[in-house]
Amino acid sequence: DQQVKQNSPSLSVQEGRISILNCDYTNSMFDYFLWYKKYPAEGPTFLISISSIKDKNEDGRFTVFLNKSAKHLSLHIVPSQPGDSAVYFCALHRMEYGNKLVFGAGTILRVKS
Amino acid sequence: NAGVTQTPKFQVLKTGQSMTLQCAQDMNHNSMYWYRQDPGMGLRLIYYSASEGTTDKGEVPNGYNVSRLNKREFSLRLESAAPSQTSVYFCATLNDRPYYGYTFGSGTRLTVV
Repeated sequence: DQQVKQNSPSLSVQEGRISILNCDYTNSMFDYFLWYKKYPAEGPTFLISISSIKDKNEDGRFTVFLNKSAKHLSLHIVPSQPGDSAVYFCALHRMEYGNKLVFGAGTILRVKS
Repeated sequence: NAGVTQTPKFQVLKTGQSMTLQCAQDMNHNSMYWYRQDPGMGLRLIYYSASEGTTDKGEVPNGYNVSRLNKREFSLRLESAAPSQTSVYFCATLNDRPYYGYTFGSGTRLTVV
C-alpha cells in the first residue's frame, strides 16, 4: 500500500526557469507535508513544509502548494539554480502514526546552466 | 553542535556477518528513527524509538534489531547480513515541532557481498 507517490523519477530544468516537483498521496489524515532535499553522500535536509490547514507556504525561492481535495502536493522553485540539483523527497506526517514520516520515492532534479 | 552522528560511514560485510550501526544525537530529542534508502524506493522505516526505553517496528524490520541505549544513542544491529540488506542507512531524530520533521545523520553505506 503505497501511500505517497512521486511519479516523476527525474526532472531536468534550465537555470532561471521554474522547477515543479509533484507528490500524490492516498490517505487524507496527514497533518503536515514536508519536502526534503538530498545531495549525494549526505543525509536529507529539511527544506519547507506546510500544515494541512493551509494551501500555500512560501520561503524565498521555494513555495509548497497543497491541494487537499486532489490529495496533491507540489514544490515550486523559482528561479532554479544549479545548486538546486539534488534528490527531492516529499514526506507526510500523521500524529497517529507515532510521529513517523512516510516518504515518497524521490525525484532527481537537474538544473542545467 | 554535531546534530546526528552516524558511524561508520562505509562498511563492507560478507554474507552472514554481523555488525552494529551507531547513531548518537546531541539535540535532546525524544524520538529516533532508522531508515534505509534504496533506489526507486525512497526512505523506508526499519525501527523507531518514541522515547528512551521503547522501540517499535517500522515498515521493513525483518533482519534487524535495535537498542535505545539512552536518550542520545540508538543503534541498529544486523545479526546475519544478507545481500538484500545492501543499502544506505539513515538515522534521524524528530524535531520538537513536527512541522520541521526530522534531522538526519549523514548515513552509512553498507554493502553485503
